[in-house]
Amino acid sequence: EAEVAQSPRYKITEKSQAVAFWCDPISGHATLYWYRQILGQGPELLVQFQDESVVDDSQLPKDRFSAERLKGVDSTLKIQPAELGDSAMYLCASSGRAVGANVLTFGAGSRLTVL
Amino acid sequence: AQSVTQLDSQVPVFEEAPVELRCNYSSSVSVYLFWYVQYPNQGLQLLLKYLSGSTLVKGINGFEAEFNKSQTSFHLRKPSVHISDTAEYFCAVSNFGNEKLTFGTGTRLTIIP
Repeated sequence: EAEVAQSPRYKITEKSQAVAFWCDPISGHATLYWYRQILGQGPELLVQFQDESVVDDSQLPKDRFSAERLKGVDSTLKIQPAELGDSAMYLCASSGRAVGANVLTFGAGSRLTVL
Repeated sequence: AQSVTQLDSQVPVFEEAPVELRCNYSSSVSVYLFWYVQYPNQGLQLLLKYLSGSTLVKGINGFEAEFNKSQTSFHLRKPSVHISDTAEYFCAVSNFGNEKLTFGTGTRLTIIP
């Protein structure tokens, strides 16, 4: 069964350091999402890509977060500098091109701890 | 704008007992509805979805949910739970034409042996 790949699974860093997360969606999926899930809460959308273009980044803290999907396939989410409040699970998801509702498939996530 | 409310943050249930996890949504347009399950330190796995048609939706692991438009609800049920059902359950909504999901805050289901 096709999966969304994410790395690293776990990352511990000190505040003010830079961190990066990588996501490889299911082959052929045009839409890619990055969600942030703070412990005890539901996931919140950070950024949505359609192919290589950003569709929605209204909730992305652009002073420190950046995301790119240069060739419309895999994607990188970067935080620089990291702050204590960035400790969370970062989830990547992808969906296909079918008309109508596409189901999002999630990766296993990258858990970030900022010390 | 759309929103999802999960009324119970934690639900303890004895093994083999029935369970209902409640979900209410708010949206100004027609919606698609989903339940996802999350096991510790893992991503989200789709349990079931309502897109159209029959309001009773069956999913994996013996779960089902009923879409009630007048009550704006999409409660999740299972007639007999197992220890392996211990997890966090998230209700989510999306709108026609945009698949991005808005999630509720989750319900932690704990099965008591």
